[in-house]
Amino acid sequence: AQSVTQLGSHVSVSEGALVLLRCNYSSSVPPYLFWYVQYPNQGLQLLLKYTTGATLVKGINGFEAEFKKSETSFHLTKPSAHMSDAAEYFCAVRNTNFGNEKLTFGTGTRLTIIP
Amino acid sequence: NAGVMQNPRHLVRRRGQEARLRCSPMKGHSHVYWYRQLPEEGLKFMVYLQKENIIDESGMPKERFSAEFPKEGPSILRIQQVVRGDSAAYFCASSPSEGLGYGYTFGSGTRLTVV
Repeated sequence: AQSVTQLGSHVSVSEGALVLLRCNYSSSVPPYLFWYVQYPNQGLQLLLKYTTGATLVKGINGFEAEFKKSETSFHLTKPSAHMSDAAEYFCAVRNTNFGNEKLTFGTGTRLTIIP
Repeated sequence: NAGVMQNPRHLVRRRGQEARLRCSPMKGHSHVYWYRQLPEEGLKFMVYLQKENIIDESGMPKERFSAEFPKEGPSILRIQQVVRGDSAAYFCASSPSEGLGYGYTFGSGTRLTVV
């Protein structure tokens, strides 16, 4: 069974500072990995995903994430936080088998930006 | 091209009533996934459907919950005899094909409140 652990349910950073949101996964084989963002009372928007190829993945809004197989991690970073980045962020995994695209989500990290 | 449409956005039901949540996938998408988000938790997979078929319902509660995706019309998640614990946000997602790692598109959700 797969699982996702997001360290830190709440993270606060100053505007302009580095954003680092942590995600570790447990899977018998390297999975596909995703980061989603959720703004209040809205659905989830895909930030970026890793399937195959380059392990450093760039997404929307200046975010990127690096897949590290040896550490079973997929941490999300952004060099300089903006007020509009305040939201909840979810890491998710799915297996790479052809077929069911069921996702397993972490419990989320709420990002607060301090002016 | 409209995104995934869910309605209603907000639904209030008294205990014991039925709740019907509707999801229209993106045009050209034939795969639908339902997730539930309880307060302060991540999303939990409920069911995966294709047209007229339930593919994976491993996340569905055994009683009171059912889902369908008919040949014509939206996918429906039905909750009979609702209880307070059913209060949650229910999200639908759709994808164009199976297993290709595209990630899928989420709707804005239906927030169910049971009073």
